[in-house]
Amino acid sequence: DAKTTQPPSMDCAEGRAANLPCNHSTISGNEYVYWYRQIHSQGPQYIIHGLKNNETNEMASLIITEDRKSSTLILPHATLRDTAVYYCIVRAQKTSYDKVIFGPGTSLSVIP
Amino acid sequence: DSGVTQTPKHLITATGQRVTLRCSPRSGDLSVYWYQQSLDQGLQFLIQYYNGEERAKGNILERFSAQQFPDLHSELNLSSLELGDSALYFCASSVAGPLAGATSTDTQYFGPGTRLTVL
Repeated sequence: DAKTTQPPSMDCAEGRAANLPCNHSTISGNEYVYWYRQIHSQGPQYIIHGLKNNETNEMASLIITEDRKSSTLILPHATLRDTAVYYCIVRAQKTSYDKVIFGPGTSLSVIP
Repeated sequence: DSGVTQTPKHLITATGQRVTLRCSPRSGDLSVYWYQQSLDQGLQFLIQYYNGEERAKGNILERFSAQQFPDLHSELNLSSLELGDSALYFCASSVAGPLAGATSTDTQYFGPGTRLTVL
């Protein structure tokens, strides 16, 4: 079973911020939160990851709650090209020999 | 471009046949992961190799096998193919592993995939 839960789908107006939530209530202290996205049938693309501090890069921002039980991926100005399935997973640092479990993700539709 | 390459891009074959999918990881990455994605399904983790050794196993069928070679490229072998094996097969690589640096993480970089069609 996936260690994360996400809403199955979301809509967002073009140009607005897209806020994608993820629950990971059983996350361990050494596990990072990773976000990936998959556009149609392309290979999934890494977006961002974090441990406990909020993170920002050129693609997105990641907000992790203080108790680390949930997080939100923020696409600040969504474009049509951001329409994709977004996956949130948790993985331990460096030595990751557990099964990788991707849940069904959130299908984000950016609407003109 | 993630830096991970997969060949072939497309493969069409018949039931009962055997195929080999190939993956070259990013330069410097020691871990290789294989995933299967059937139509409208999520990513199903199959297997992970680290520096030539199997490290984690998912729901990989006994008809499937994989290996990672000394040059770190990996091959996924699918045999006795069935119609239900038709899917996208993705390979990913990361630096994750005991030899990785202290600040490294398990960020995975995915290849473009191989689309397998079994007729």
